[in-house]
Amino acid sequence: ILNVEQSPQSLHVQEGDSTNFTCSFPSSNFYALHWYRWETAKSPEALFVMTLNGDEKKKGRISATLNTKEGYSYLYIKGSQPEDSATYLCAFYSGGGADGLTFGKGTHLIIQP
Amino acid sequence: EPEVTQTPSHQVTQMGQEVILRCVPISNHLYFYWYRQILGQKVEFLVSFYNNEISEKSEIFDDQFSVERPDGSNFTLKIRSTKLEDSAMYFCASSEAGQVGGYTFGSGTRLTVV
Repeated sequence: ILNVEQSPQSLHVQEGDSTNFTCSFPSSNFYALHWYRWETAKSPEALFVMTLNGDEKKKGRISATLNTKEGYSYLYIKGSQPEDSATYLCAFYSGGGADGLTFGKGTHLIIQP
Repeated sequence: EPEVTQTPSHQVTQMGQEVILRCVPISNHLYFYWYRQILGQKVEFLVSFYNNEISEKSEIFDDQFSVERPDGSNFTLKIRSTKLEDSAMYFCASSEAGQVGGYTFGSGTRLTVV
């Protein structure tokens, strides 16, 4: 059974502050790591798919890094805005078998004005 | 922006009944998936589908579950005889590039088995 852990579980951040959170995954049999943003009453929206150790990806104020050797990825949000409030999910893919994407439980981010 | 659409948004069914959840993936996507989230738990993989056949399935996807792409646009998940523990939000997703491409998720069907 693959274990994907996200921390913290929830986070309150002042508008304008920067923040980051972590996704931990197995360091063996790595194939891909996905990040999704999931707003209440909407469907999860793809942010990044990362495949190479040392990858860094950026989309506006949001960026992500990947360390496959130690099994973690960080998601950073610079200058948080109220519209960043959402649950951020990471999901790990090991390259076949019966697992599909294995999701973490998510980090629930609340931006306080 | 292309969307994955799912119907119905909410279904209530009696235990033991069959249900069919419907999805219309994005038209040029080749990879299709079903995931589910039981309330308070993680999103769980059920099945992936490519080239008109199942490519991966989890332990959850037992003989009670089946998928079909009957007409080139719809992608359905059938649960033959529902159990109380099948109550969950079921998400369909499609992808252009398999597991190295981001998924586009539908908005989900909330299935309640009573």
